Amino acid sequence: GENVEQHPSTLSVQEGDSAVIKCTYSDSASNYFPWYKQELGKGPQLIIDIRSNVGEKKDQRIAVTLNKTAKHFSLHITETQPEDSAVYFCAASRRGGGSYIPTFGRGTSLIVHP
Amino acid sequence: DAGVIQSPRHEVTEMGQEVTLRCKPISGHDYLFWYRQTMMRGLELLIYFNNNVPIDDSGMPEDRFSAKMPNASFSTLKIQPSEPRDSAVYFCASSFTSGQGGSGNTIYFGEGSWLTVV
Repeated sequence: GENVEQHPSTLSVQEGDSAVIKCTYSDSASNYFPWYKQELGKGPQLIIDIRSNVGEKKDQRIAVTLNKTAKHFSLHITETQPEDSAVYFCAASRRGGGSYIPTFGRGTSLIVHP
Repeated sequence: DAGVIQSPRHEVTEMGQEVTLRCKPISGHDYLFWYRQTMMRGLELLIYFNNNVPIDDSGMPEDRFSAKMPNASFSTLKIQPSEPRDSAVYFCASSFTSGQGGSGNTIYFGEGSWLTVV
């Protein structure tokens, strides 16, 4: 089955700095890579995703990159703000029966200091 | 849309008791997932359903865990008997089938059920 490794487990930055979270996956059949943000006391919420036919995707201060050959993908947050503080999960998915069933990384706790 | 609704939000129970967690998925969604989250193991997929039918329960830790989906708007996860090591946050999530060439399914999570077994 799929195995997703996520690093770092914790990341502390100053407001305005950039933050980068990296993930690797093992299953070359994985073709969909969502990122989720989990705020304290809440469930994870999708913030951005990327498919295997795309190398990079941006949404305002958030960008994801994908290297299929190396089987790794990254989340980049620029101009971080205190409200970016949360746990971030990467996931790798393969299409199964019409739905993408994700395997999640262990999560990165991002702390943005004002 | 009310989102995925889970109950109870918090439960404290004694070892050996039966625990039932409930979930109402988003209307129109045909996939339902049960996840468990712990510090040690992160987010684990326990079981998922498609059109109310269990598809993969390989993540269910042992026979003490069971899940049902009697209709499209309700699912339960039951632990009987409960043990302290079952203490975790249990998430229900739902999604809908994307068509061929679709952008992939967003999985919508509920707020979670925080279970403590003492």
